[in-house]
Amino acid sequence: GQSLEQPSEVTAVEGAIVQINCTYQTSGFYGLSWYQQHDGGAPTFLSYNALDGLEETGRFSSFLSRSDSYGYLLLQELQMKDSASYFCAGLSGGYNKLIFGAGTRLAVHP
Amino acid sequence: NAGVTQTPKFQVLKTGQSMTLQCAQDMNHEYMSWYRQDPGMGLRLIHYSVGAGITDQGEVPNGYNVSRSTTEDFPLRLLSAAPSQTSVYFCASSRTGQGEGYTFGSGTRLTVV
Repeated sequence: GQSLEQPSEVTAVEGAIVQINCTYQTSGFYGLSWYQQHDGGAPTFLSYNALDGLEETGRFSSFLSRSDSYGYLLLQELQMKDSASYFCAGLSGGYNKLIFGAGTRLAVHP
Repeated sequence: NAGVTQTPKFQVLKTGQSMTLQCAQDMNHEYMSWYRQDPGMGLRLIHYSVGAGITDQGEVPNGYNVSRSTTEDFPLRLLSAAPSQTSVYFCASSRTGQGEGYTFGSGTRLTVV
């Protein structure tokens, strides 16, 4: 089986940096993904790490350490529009069986 | 470019009724999935498909059926609706199935009374 653990809530101020952690337990591992979801909206893809290390996409970066079964999403220069829920997700035992964590709700304050 | 289209957007059912949630994608993706989202529980995988004619169970398949007769369509059927199936349902598709670039539909908000 597979499970992914992430904090339920994070609060930060505009312009700051925030890190959202994700630890996972999997029977097989094919990479860690991150998705963003605004209230009332659909999840949208942010980042994917198949191998160890850092992936950078604009203000967002994602990191993976397979030996530690750990990853994180780093959001820089926070903006009010970054207030949303963020989900880590991993494949469970095969392609397309993508399992999500419970999500981290990020609140950005002025 | 429509992406993933889900219908209906809202639905109210009575306990015991059946219905089909429609999902269609126009990106020629082989991989498609259905998720349900309940408050505080994230997205849970119901069923998934790796191509036309091939489906498999996810984390919470009980009470749901799927079929995949074409690459484009992946309908989800509720056999006998129960209040526990009140949820928001999302359909997703992916080119690679590897966790990157899943495209989600806008969701169906289902209430079973």
